[in-house]
Amino acid sequence: AQTVTQSQPEMSVQEAETVTLSCTYDTSESNYYLFWYKQPPSRQMILVIRQEAYKQQNATENRFSVNFQKAAKSFSLKISDSQLGDTAMYFCAFMKRGGATNKLIFGTGTLLAVQP
Amino acid sequence: GAGVSQTPSNKVTEKGKYVELRCDPISGHTALYWYRQSLGQGPEFLIYFQGTGAADDSGLPNDRFFAVRPEGSVSTLKIQRTERGDSAVYLCASSFRTSGGAGDTQYFGPGTRLTVL
Repeated sequence: AQTVTQSQPEMSVQEAETVTLSCTYDTSESNYYLFWYKQPPSRQMILVIRQEAYKQQNATENRFSVNFQKAAKSFSLKISDSQLGDTAMYFCAFMKRGGATNKLIFGTGTLLAVQP
Repeated sequence: GAGVSQTPSNKVTEKGKYVELRCDPISGHTALYWYRQSLGQGPEFLIYFQGTGAADDSGLPNDRFFAVRPEGSVSTLKIQRTERGDSAVYLCASSFRTSGGAGDTQYFGPGTRLTVL
């Protein structure tokens, strides 16, 4: 079975600074996706970034980028130029590719507070 | 529609009552998922529909929970004889398909917060 671990329950960063959120996972699969989702107080889970495991290049989306280390099973999220609107719960998630069910397996989340 | 919608936004019920939670996926999305998020936890998978059929219901905690999607669009999660432990946020997500491509990305609704007194 796959597991996702987020070891930082809470993080804080000053506005305009850079912060990195950690995620590790355990799987015997070789073909999978990894995701970071953001959940603000509104509860809506918003996709931040997605990484295909077969791609060596790290995914980037504007101020968000990942450091994907497949051998180490590590998938950290870097947020540059942090903004107040980035304050939210961040979840790392795993999805097996090509399975019968594309269910997501989530970590327990990291609560990020961006301070003015 | 513009996004996944869920109704009601909040539901308060008494122990032992029956509740229905509704999910309206993004138009054209054939795959639909239900997740349950307890306080301080990440979402946990409940059930997956591909079209009208439940392709995987392995996450349903017991037989008090079941879900339907009769026309392959709107889905209803039904909980019988609710218990206090059922209190959680119930999230719905949809995607285009499950073929291992970019269409697998799941888009979530705002959830229904269920409180069982």
